[in-house]
Amino acid sequence: AQSVTQPDIHITVSEGASLELRCNYSYGATPYLFWYVQSPGQGLQLLLKYFSGDTLVQGIKGFEAEFKRSQSSFNLRKPSVHWSDAAEYFCAVGAGRAAGNKLTFGGGTRVLVKP
Amino acid sequence: GAVVSQHPSRVICKSGTSVKIECRSLDFQATTMFWYRQFPKQSLMLMATSNEGSKATYEQGVEKDKFLINHASLTLSTLTVTSAHPEDSSFYICSAPSGLGTGELFFGEGSRLTVL
Repeated sequence: AQSVTQPDIHITVSEGASLELRCNYSYGATPYLFWYVQSPGQGLQLLLKYFSGDTLVQGIKGFEAEFKRSQSSFNLRKPSVHWSDAAEYFCAVGAGRAAGNKLTFGGGTRVLVKP
Repeated sequence: GAVVSQHPSRVICKSGTSVKIECRSLDFQATTMFWYRQFPKQSLMLMATSNEGSKATYEQGVEKDKFLINHASLTLSTLTVTSAHPEDSSFYICSAPSGLGTGELFFGEGSRLTVL
């Protein structure tokens, strides 16, 4: 069975500083990996995704993530955080159509941005 | 713009009543939709998979008679919380596969249910 771990429940970062959110997954084959962001009381918005190819993927809002197979990780980064980046971030793993398109989510990391 | 729409976004009901939440795919067909439940400050837990033209598939521990799912058409799935109680209060989110076969999902805006 697939699983996702986000070790950090909360992260506080100053505006303009860099941000890195950790994600570790467990899956037997090459997974499909996603990062979603959720603002309070809202649905989820896809930031970026990895299926294959280049292990460094670029997403929206200046985010990027790197797939490291050897570490079973898919960490999310942003060089300079904006106040609007304060939100909950979820890493997710899936197996595509073969697994019925189901996604398994990590516990989430809440990002607080200090002025 | 949104490709999956949920309605209502917020609903308050009395204990013992039933509440229906709609999930629509906009401009695309979805033979499968997923219903998630999210408790405050927690992650999303998959409740069930809604299948057009057949019965929904429920995850372990989810009461089928409590959470009725109907996939009426290729663009509409509904979740009915029957005989709602305060412990059913939660944020319910639906999603639909993008159709790329890669597991990417489009999510609705979510529906917050409060049972008094």
